[in-house]
Amino acid sequence: DAKTTQPTSMDCAEGRAANLPCNHSTISGNEYVYWYRQIHSQGPQYIIHGLKNNETNEMASLIITEDRKSSTLILPHATLRDTAVYYCIGYNAGGTSYGKLTFGQGTILTVHP
Amino acid sequence: DGGITQSPKYLFRKEGQNVTLSCEQNLNHDAMYWYRQDPGQGLRLIYYSQIVNDFQKGDIAEGYSVSREKKESFPLTVTSAQKNPTAFYLCASNHLPEHNEQFFGPGTRLTVL
Repeated sequence: DAKTTQPTSMDCAEGRAANLPCNHSTISGNEYVYWYRQIHSQGPQYIIHGLKNNETNEMASLIITEDRKSSTLILPHATLRDTAVYYCIGYNAGGTSYGKLTFGQGTILTVHP
Repeated sequence: DGGITQSPKYLFRKEGQNVTLSCEQNLNHDAMYWYRQDPGQGLRLIYYSQIVNDFQKGDIAEGYSVSREKKESFPLTVTSAQKNPTAFYLCASNHLPEHNEQFFGPGTRLTVL
């Protein structure tokens, strides 16, 4: 699975959009980009995933560049409850890592009033 | 309510004792996972099971053991061979094969004195 690189930390004002970048320059053609988040002392929570098209759900939007080497998770109207560690993960269902997710250190997003 | 439960939330043990952490899910998921998280770090996979009576080692299996006798249960034993057992332990489950949305339990914080 592709190695992903994320900034260590980011800040965002409440009510504004939070844009969290992720680089995955070695991603393979059939490898998905998954995003999870972990609020302090809780288990991680799935947010969204995509292959090459942009995706949107009730939690967030995922924008994947055309060359698929990077992506951005967008929280359109961040609230204080969105303060968490956000993990960007590359996952290949057909590979030897079937079922396994590799969590890096993620981005600590702090939403402030 | 459907979900995944872990017990206890906090656990204290003396060095040299084995301890078993409980993980139960009523989501009818085939696959279950155990992760370990150290302060300020991402999650690391200990063991996973894709079907009853079968399981595979993850990235840091040494000093741990598991069993999968029932679909809904995947207990983890931290043995005395685990050199640094103090950590936050997270259990997860999901339907496979292609979409890897894992549902996490609330975690067990183990402290070995």
